[in-house]
Amino acid sequence: DGGITQSPKYLFRKEGQNVTLSCEQNLNHDAMYWYRQDPGQGLRLIYYSQIVNDFQKGDIAEGYSVSREKKESFPLTVTSAQKNPTAFYLCASRRSGQVNSLLNTEAFFGQGTRLTVV
Amino acid sequence: KQEVTQIPAALSVPEGENLVLNCSFTDSAIYNLQWFRQDPGKGLTSLLLIQSSQREQTSGRLNASLDKSSGRSTLYIAASQPGDSATYLCAVPDRGSTLGRLYFGRGTQLTVWP
Repeated sequence: DGGITQSPKYLFRKEGQNVTLSCEQNLNHDAMYWYRQDPGQGLRLIYYSQIVNDFQKGDIAEGYSVSREKKESFPLTVTSAQKNPTAFYLCASRRSGQVNSLLNTEAFFGQGTRLTVV
Repeated sequence: KQEVTQIPAALSVPEGENLVLNCSFTDSAIYNLQWFRQDPGKGLTSLLLIQSSQREQTSGRLNASLDKSSGRSTLYIAASQPGDSATYLCAVPDRGSTLGRLYFGRGTQLTVWP
């Protein structure tokens, strides 16, 4: 089955520790995104990537880093610089070809990773 | 910047009722609008994608309408069931520099009781 797989489902981080959230898709999508979801707030964009080896900061990129070495994978690292990392993290992807076609395609999401600072 | 608003924030109804969830957006020049469902602790499941050229899109008991000129979309749920209980989110894609990123409303939390 095609889809987006996020792992782990639950992750615990100690103070000062870096942790990496995995996102893998087998939909052959070019564009991938990371969102953060907090109670009472809408989803906020952390990073996005439209093609391999290219990625851009979103609205709340401070304290996070990403890589896009393969089309299928877009891991997110939460660094010690992120002071309030406890949240639900969602990865998404969508197909793109010509620039404008990206806007007409459906976005798909993974099942999320809940990160808690202990 | 696109702003998306959903009303009501929460809705509790008995089983069998027909429901209307509302979504409004500030920039009417959208390409499409997508409705999602989110169960507690889970990811987002796409329900319907309605293109800017369409007025309606249907899937089973769900019907989404789009009125670009007024900046509104509605999600109609017919004959609601307890299994419909979830948070429903609407989202529109950015036309600017962050192509394809979605702007989300805060959702409507729906509870359908037997």
